[in-house]
Amino acid sequence: GENVEQHPSTLSVQEGDSAVIKCTYSDSASNYFPWYKQELGKRPQLIIDIRSNVGEKKDQRIAVTLNKTAKHFSLHITETQPEDSAVYFCAAHTRGGSNYKLTFGKGTLLTVNP
Amino acid sequence: GAVVSQHPSWVICKSGTSVKIECRSLDFQATTMFWYRQFPKQSLMLMATSNEGSKATYEQGVEKDKFLINHASLTLSTLTVTSAHPEDSSFYICSARDVVNPNYGYTFGSGTRLTVV
Repeated sequence: GENVEQHPSTLSVQEGDSAVIKCTYSDSASNYFPWYKQELGKRPQLIIDIRSNVGEKKDQRIAVTLNKTAKHFSLHITETQPEDSAVYFCAAHTRGGSNYKLTFGKGTLLTVNP
Repeated sequence: GAVVSQHPSWVICKSGTSVKIECRSLDFQATTMFWYRQFPKQSLMLMATSNEGSKATYEQGVEKDKFLINHASLTLSTLTVTSAHPEDSSFYICSARDVVNPNYGYTFGSGTRLTVV
């Protein structure tokens, strides 16, 4: 089955700096890669996603890049703000048996220091 | 946009009792729903995938007789934790998939905090 590795597990940056979180996946058939932000006790919120036929996608301060050959994708947050502090999860959408499903990375705790 | 409602948001139960959690898609039909468990400071672990009108598919290591899943309609799936024990205490989150949604349709419920005492 699919295996998603995520690094780093914790990341601390100063307000205004950039933050980069990286993920690798194992199943070359995975075709959709969302990123979620989760605040304590809340549901995961989709912040950006990318399909396998696209190499890069940007939405204001957030961008995602995908390298299909190397099977890795990254989240880039620029001009970080304290409200960006949360746990971020990457995921890969793939077929598992007769169903499609999301496999999540272990998460990155991002702390933005004022 | 797609909305998924999950109830209850939190529940405390005694060891040995059963607890039912509901997951509803409010404005779309969800042929597939997913149930995740999340322990503190850990990732979301998929427990099972439920398809409307058929048996759920459980992930390896998840006891199907302990975690009963019913997906009787296109808008409702339920997870029943039977004979709950303290080690079942966790955050349970459902997700419903709207296949019409161009973003592959994964919408999450608000989660249920289960505490077994």
